[in-house]
Amino acid sequence: QSALTQPPSASGSPGQSVTISCTGSSSDVGGYNYVSWYQQHPGKAPKLMIDEVSKRPSGVPDRFSGSKSGNTASLTVSGLQAEDEADYYCSSYAGSNNLLFGGGTKLTVL
Amino acid sequence: EVQLVESGGGLVQPGGSLRLSCAASGFTFSSYVMSWVRQAPGKGLEWVSVISGSGGSTYYADSVKGRFTISRDNSKKTLYLQMNSLRAEDTAVYYCAKVAGGYWWRGFDIWGQGTMVTVSS
Repeated sequence: QSALTQPPSASGSPGQSVTISCTGSSSDVGGYNYVSWYQQHPGKAPKLMIDEVSKRPSGVPDRFSGSKSGNTASLTVSGLQAEDEADYYCSSYAGSNNLLFGGGTKLTVL
Repeated sequence: EVQLVESGGGLVQPGGSLRLSCAASGFTFSSYVMSWVRQAPGKGLEWVSVISGSGGSTYYADSVKGRFTISRDNSKKTLYLQMNSLRAEDTAVYYCAKVAGGYWWRGFDIWGQGTMVTVSS
């Protein structure tokens, strides 16, 4: 199975909002509510930002939100801050005991 | 403190074997599904394998099926990944990760720092 599709890059100015998409199919993103989003700073381990499409783990700022429509999931970062600059990855259960990740999106805070 | 610490990475020749370990602390290890995720240099994340809390159920990505074996020793609070018939394309940082709980396919809420595996002659 192919990786989920994310835009390679996204950007926004401090205080603005940016949305990152994650497109799959009815066999993965569209078929299950097991979509997660991770933030990864250079040289660091990923950090869970959104679980089960839209659930924010404890400690994650409410500036981060997740949603899904059809076969596309989205991560929105509101009120952009300099520390939000990182790589972001989505993942989704793809059935048959398989998990897919997206290719990643590099978020730049201008 | 909830923590995962990987070890066992290194340089290995193509066709060789390596066993990774992941020591857990700060949570009831046996209650949680655990997984391995890897990241090739400069590339994205790739799911590798998952194991149930008891160790009785395991699943693998097609890219490693038949070559890698995931296991766990709950008495030692340690997760393992036995990697055989290694290929150059297995070169990556390998992370162990804890599933958030409840369902197998929820997100990974705790990650280790990663251990580098390099497959090269």
